[in-house]
Amino acid sequence: GAGVSQSPRYKVAKRGQDVALRCDPISGHVSLFWYQQALGQGPEFLTYFQNEAQLDKSGLPSDRFFAERPEGSVSTLKIQRTQQEDSAVYLCASSLAGVSYNSPLHFGNGTRLTVT
Amino acid sequence: GESVGLHLPTLSVQEGDNSIINCAYSNSASDYFIWYKQESGKGPQFIIDIRSNMDKRQGQRVTVLLNKTVKHLSLQIAATQPGDSAVYFCAERRSTNAGKSTFGDGTTLTVKP
Repeated sequence: GAGVSQSPRYKVAKRGQDVALRCDPISGHVSLFWYQQALGQGPEFLTYFQNEAQLDKSGLPSDRFFAERPEGSVSTLKIQRTQQEDSAVYLCASSLAGVSYNSPLHFGNGTRLTVT
Repeated sequence: GESVGLHLPTLSVQEGDNSIINCAYSNSASDYFIWYKQESGKGPQFIIDIRSNMDKRQGQRVTVLLNKTVKHLSLQIAATQPGDSAVYFCAERRSTNAGKSTFGDGTTLTVKP
């Protein structure tokens, strides 16, 4: 079966440009998560959704970062006015259960964002 | 502050040997722990998990041990194979904030043939 799909796989943006990163979770998965992974480090939590509700956005580093999941399926992470420090791999994950249950995350292969 | 960390950033083992990867966590409220494997260019892949009411859990060739007294967990891989070469992350979640997983920085396992 299909896993979590992210697009684009690679994105190069000039400083100041806006970018939009897409995530298609596994069909039927209730919860969706965004993580940021800098080179050589573990993933850092950004935000998560349960269905269409964004329940925690405490990890978003600034108000330039915005995530949505309007129909409870596909999600988009938008970064406005990109800065060089935004360069990282952005990982999306989904899980079958709501977050009140302990269930593992299924990750996509990420979008590598490079801001020049 | 809260953190999840691994004792060694790199580990090199001979093919066929057993591997042990360690992880320490600081928050006693953590109640769910997961090990992930990440290969180059891919996202983390779930290996095994353990809840805080357990101290050991076994999977296929892998065992996770949890010692809540010293806030330590380990991943044991039996008969390590070249395909096990990857970066391994431990992560923790708390039922009070179950949407957020906190990851350590990873241990790079290299298996020598």
